[in-house]
Amino acid sequence: GESVGLHLPTLSVQEGDNSIINCAYSNSASDYFIWYKQESGKGPQFIIDIRSNMDKRQGQRVTVLLNKTVKHLSLQIAATQPGDSAVYFCAERGGSGGYQKVTFGTGTKLQVIP
Amino acid sequence: NAGVMQNPRHLVRRRGQEARLRCSPMKGHSHVYWYRQLPEEGLKFMVYLQKENIIDESGMPKERFSAEFPKEGPSILRIQQVVRGDSAAYFCASSPSSIISGYTFGSGTRLTVV
Repeated sequence: GESVGLHLPTLSVQEGDNSIINCAYSNSASDYFIWYKQESGKGPQFIIDIRSNMDKRQGQRVTVLLNKTVKHLSLQIAATQPGDSAVYFCAERGGSGGYQKVTFGTGTKLQVIP
Repeated sequence: NAGVMQNPRHLVRRRGQEARLRCSPMKGHSHVYWYRQLPEEGLKFMVYLQKENIIDESGMPKERFSAEFPKEGPSILRIQQVVRGDSAAYFCASSPSSIISGYTFGSGTRLTVV
């Protein structure tokens, strides 16, 4: 039979406001955490990453926060714009040294209200 | 400098036919990763290849699915005797090294099995 997809959690934000997208990860041995943006009909696009020995990293209009105590990752987007509307995925890379698989979370859909 | 190229963008196959999905990594990238995405879901890892070698196929179904990355030419994901449950978007990503976490993704192939 047909498989039923999960409905992505949706975050609606007014244009110009800040957005905060949260993610819980599972592997305490993960050494890298990455945020991807996926627009409709396109492949995921790398936004920013953070190493496990950091708790904050800033990019252009984006900030990633890492809380290893509670295995939580967040992406903050400042002054959200209509072009930020997309699905955002967090991903984790397990372990250290050599090849480690990158595993994606389920994603959050960001809708920017003009 | 072209990105990761996937073709075809859309592929329709009848149940029982074979599907061949192609991925040309970015120039200078010798590591290729295949992911599958169902509607409204995250990306699920399938297989990781380097030139002429399969490094990790832990996410690939044991039957009907195979992948290769020959010395010359693109990486191929092959699905034999397709079923409706194979309908999904298949994304390829590449990286210059296995320790790089920020993969570059292609635009995907959307497979529809009728």
